[in-house]
Order: sequence, then C-alpha cells, then structure tokens
Amino acid sequence: GESVGLHLPTLSVQEGDNSIINCAYSNSASDYFIWYKQESGKGPQFIIDIRSNMDKRQGQRVTVLLNKTVKHLSLQIAATQPGDSAVYFCAGSGANSKLTFGKGITLSVRP
Amino acid sequence: DAGITQSPRHKVTETGTPVTLRCHQTENHRYMYWYRQDPGHGLRLIHYSYGVKDTDKGEVSDGYSVSRSKTEDFLLTLESATSSQTSVYFCAIRLLYNSPLHFGNGTRLTVT
Repeated sequence: GESVGLHLPTLSVQEGDNSIINCAYSNSASDYFIWYKQESGKGPQFIIDIRSNMDKRQGQRVTVLLNKTVKHLSLQIAATQPGDSAVYFCAGSGANSKLTFGKGITLSVRP
Repeated sequence: DAGITQSPRHKVTETGTPVTLRCHQTENHRYMYWYRQDPGHGLRLIHYSYGVKDTDKGEVSDGYSVSRSKTEDFLLTLESATSSQTSVYFCAIRLLYNSPLHFGNGTRLTVT
C-alpha cells in the first residue's frame, strides 16, 4: 500500500524567513500530490497541487517541488508570516485517485 | 469553506446510541467523502460517493454507513456509537476525479 509521511512533526521559523516542509511517499505509481494547511478548529485548506508530469509548480508565496526519483516532495513558503502558522499535510494518490494523507507537521512562526 | 456545511459542529452522545452527521454542499460536485481525523493517524477515509445512491467503503468503514439521496447531501451514520468513534469528522467534495478535495470545517463527536 501507499504511505505518505512528513519527515518532522514540528518546524519553527523566524518571521520573514523561508520555510521548507518535506514529505516522502512510498508508492512509485503515485501521480498526483496536494498540500493542505489546517488551522485550529477548521478543515484542511487546499494550498497547491502538482501532477507527476511536473517537477515544480508555483503559487502565491508557495512552491511545490516533486522529485520522483527519490519519491519526495516539498512545500516552500516564501517570507513566512504569522498567519502561516498551522499544520501542513501532504497527500498523494495513484491510479485509483484515492488520496492518502500524511500525519501533518506543525509550522510555528516566531515573531 | 467551498460551500460545504457540516452539522452538527459538536456532538456528545452515549455509547450504543445512533448518530447521524450531515454534509451539505452548494457546489453541485459529484464526489463526496467522509474522513475521520485522529491524533497520530492523519485523515482516514470512511466512505465516499460517486453520485446519488452510489457509495463505496473506505479504509475505516466498519461501524459506519452512508447515504446519498440528493447530490447536495451526504449523510454519515454511526448505527451504535462506540468510544473508539470519538473523533473529528470531515466531509469533503471533489469536482473531478483527480483534483483537490475541499473540506468542510468538521464535526467534533464525543462518545461517552
């Protein structure tokens, strides 16, 4: 089966610095990946997605990188702000389109 | 919230009682999902639906049933609640087969 996991449970960054959140997946057939942000008391919020035919995709202040060779993806947040403090999840799916979610990493932004 | 309303937002119930959670969407999306979220487990799929009266089991479906009689509503029923079903339940919708899920704000269920 597929597992999707995050390397570290917590990440603390200084306000204004760039944040990098990493995620590994096990199923080489996975072809679609999503990053979510979850604030306390709310549901996961879609940030950005990427398909396996791409290595990089950029959004507003966020970039997702996909390395299929080592089955790794990362979320980069530029100029991290206090409002970025939350739990971040990666999720991946393969041919059946069922998403498998990682356990989440808590991003804490220091003022 | 992508036009998703979950009700109730909080529920406390006793072991052995039936419980129904409701998910209502205004987006007319075909695909709907129920997940539970527990510490140390991440989000786990309970049941999902491809359309009206078309549902299937997820990875943790035991003790749960679902119904979808209208496109906009997806109900999750715990026939006889157990303490292990204490959790936060999220409904999600999806426009296309391989596109992002959009989540509601969850129902916190406590079974005493």
